[in-house]
Amino acid sequence: NAGVTQTPKFRVLKTGQSMTLLCAQDMNHEYMYWYRQDPGMGLRLIHYSVGEGTTAKGEVPDGYNVSRLKKQNFLLGLESAAPSQTSVYFCASSSPGQLSSYNEQFFGPGTRLTVL
Amino acid sequence: QQQVKQSPQSLIVQKGGISIINCAYENTAFDYFPWYQQFPGKGPALLIAIRPDVSEKKEGRFTISFNKSAKQFSLHIMDSQPGDSATYFCAAGRYNFNKFYFGSGTKLNVKP
Repeated sequence: NAGVTQTPKFRVLKTGQSMTLLCAQDMNHEYMYWYRQDPGMGLRLIHYSVGEGTTAKGEVPDGYNVSRLKKQNFLLGLESAAPSQTSVYFCASSSPGQLSSYNEQFFGPGTRLTVL
Repeated sequence: QQQVKQSPQSLIVQKGGISIINCAYENTAFDYFPWYQQFPGKGPALLIAIRPDVSEKKEGRFTISFNKSAKQFSLHIMDSQPGDSATYFCAAGRYNFNKFYFGSGTKLNVKP
């Protein structure tokens, strides 16, 4: 049981380049999320998905696109990278109606992205 | 507009001391308040959480205090240990929506 995995772990891009970050979870969770973490800003929600084939915007969606073609995967795309997108990106997943009283989001290990 | 405000940004505590981190929120519809712990190079992990039907929740050395009228909640770490050194994030949101807003984080350093 790997939990939430992210690919790649590190990436350096030049301004204007594109890339896709992959998130995979093996917990059969319905909900998946993409966050970015910046110093002094905490975790900010980029996009999220409440089920296969559905996506929604979070707090900071501009410059990013997402797709959830399979329940276990959630992809984050940067079409034309900008230096302002230099950040650590975290994927998370959760399941509604969990038996536990904790509505827990499980996070991946993160992807450190630098845009030059 | 920041939904959740967290303070302090950093905290240094001696081993055995009490660490206190405070958070405030604006949206009165929020009914779920988790705390996440993050070690360097790792993703955040749920530490403890509270619903507004109680004013306090304790798990081991970790306690959440919740003040609904003031729209504030705090994390207390009793008998702080060097292994508690990490970044702590509070969050708030609506439980059934499974979507939360995170605070800016507090970097805790517990000195031996």
